Order: sequence, then structure tokens, then C-alpha cells
Amino acid sequence: DTAVSQTPKYLVTQMGNDKSIKCEQNLGHDTMYWYKQDSKKFLKIMFSYNNKELIINETVPNRFSPKSPDKAHLNLHINSLELGDSAVYFCASSSRLADYQETQYFGPGTRLLVL
Amino acid sequence: AQSVTQLGSHVSVSEGALVLLRCNYSSSVPPYLFWYVQYPNQGLQLLLKYTSAATLVKGINGFEAEFKKSETSFHLTKPSAHMSDAAEYVCAVSGAGGTSYGKLTFGQGTILTVHP
Repeated sequence: DTAVSQTPKYLVTQMGNDKSIKCEQNLGHDTMYWYKQDSKKFLKIMFSYNNKELIINETVPNRFSPKSPDKAHLNLHINSLELGDSAVYFCASSSRLADYQETQYFGPGTRLLVL
Repeated sequence: AQSVTQLGSHVSVSEGALVLLRCNYSSSVPPYLFWYVQYPNQGLQLLLKYTSAATLVKGINGFEAEFKKSETSFHLTKPSAHMSDAAEYVCAVSGAGGTSYGKLTFGQGTILTVHP
């Protein structure tokens, strides 16, 4: 009964590979997010989708492509992985409709290591 | 534009002592403010949030925070620290409208250590 889940939890891969991270929420929220936590532990937003529509798209290399098949899922696909992509990626969700403050609830994170 | 500054990347207290974690923000629109806690290898858990209904906000695990507009601060406190409070605490701000709406900006986090 996890609210926001991510798979995989750990991902170790070689430079140049393509990988995907999946996120699912069972909170009935309409908005989902991807954040990157770098080595300095800063969390920075990458993307946000509301009802499957992209609403926030920060300055992120176009090797990163989010996909939202439905309101409960937001996946992150990364092409041609680079060493600098090593980080912890967090998914989050909120309800723009029910909560005017859009309190965000976070998944456990996916630890990506690019070798 | 919005930003968050957390004074002190590490805070160490004795068990039973007062916990004070500082957060200052800047926002061009009325802010929504949040404190999250992150335990090792886990995601962020919401501690409390400022709703604009009350300046003193109570959260889980005995934590509370006070919104002071004149000081642009939202410091987190707990009267008596427990060993289980050892974690990283992250302050965040989002904007009540405009381009900041729904976009959380985080501070760099403060690692709290509790000594027996």
C-alpha cells in the first residue's frame, strides 16, 4: 500500500546505455514530478505532469524524456547515459485539484550510478 | 523567483535538548512553506506545512515551525530531541500563483545528529 513507488530502487549501468525509471502513485493525485538530487544533496525539479500534460520542464538535457501513460504513472527515460547523470532521482505527486498548496508526496528514490 | 537558505548544514544536539533548524526563504509571491525529513536511503516525508491559516504550524513527531513574514523565516523546532530524530531536514518553498505555482524549491538540507 505504498503511496508513491519507484522502480528500480538501485540502477548501475554503463555510460552510453539507455535506461528507464518508473513511478506509480496510488493517491489519486493528478500531478506528478521528477526531481534530481545531486552529489551536493540539492533537490531540483526536472519535470511535472498534470493530467498527463507536461506543465513544468526545467533546463534538462533532451536525453531525458518523461512519459505519462496515465495520471497514476510518470516514467523517466534517459538516453545515452553520462557520468554526470549519476544521482538519486525522486518521483513525487500532488493533487492540484484537491489541495491548493499542492503538497507533494515523495517516492523512496532511485539511485542511479553510471560507470 | 524563489529560494531557500538553511543556515547550518549540520546541527548536533544532546538527547532531550531543544532542536532549532533554521530556514529563510525569498519569494516574489505569497509562499507556501514545507519541512520534509529524509532518513538514510529513504524518500522525503512531509513533517509540516504552512497554510497561511496560522503562523505557528504543528507537525508530526512533535515538531513545529513558525512563519515570520517580517523575517522571511520558517524555522523548525522541537522542545526535546529524541535519538530517532536524527535525519536530514529539508525546507522548501513554492509560490501561491504565477510561475512558482506547484514548483518546489528546496534548501540544501540540515543533517541533525542527536547524542545520548
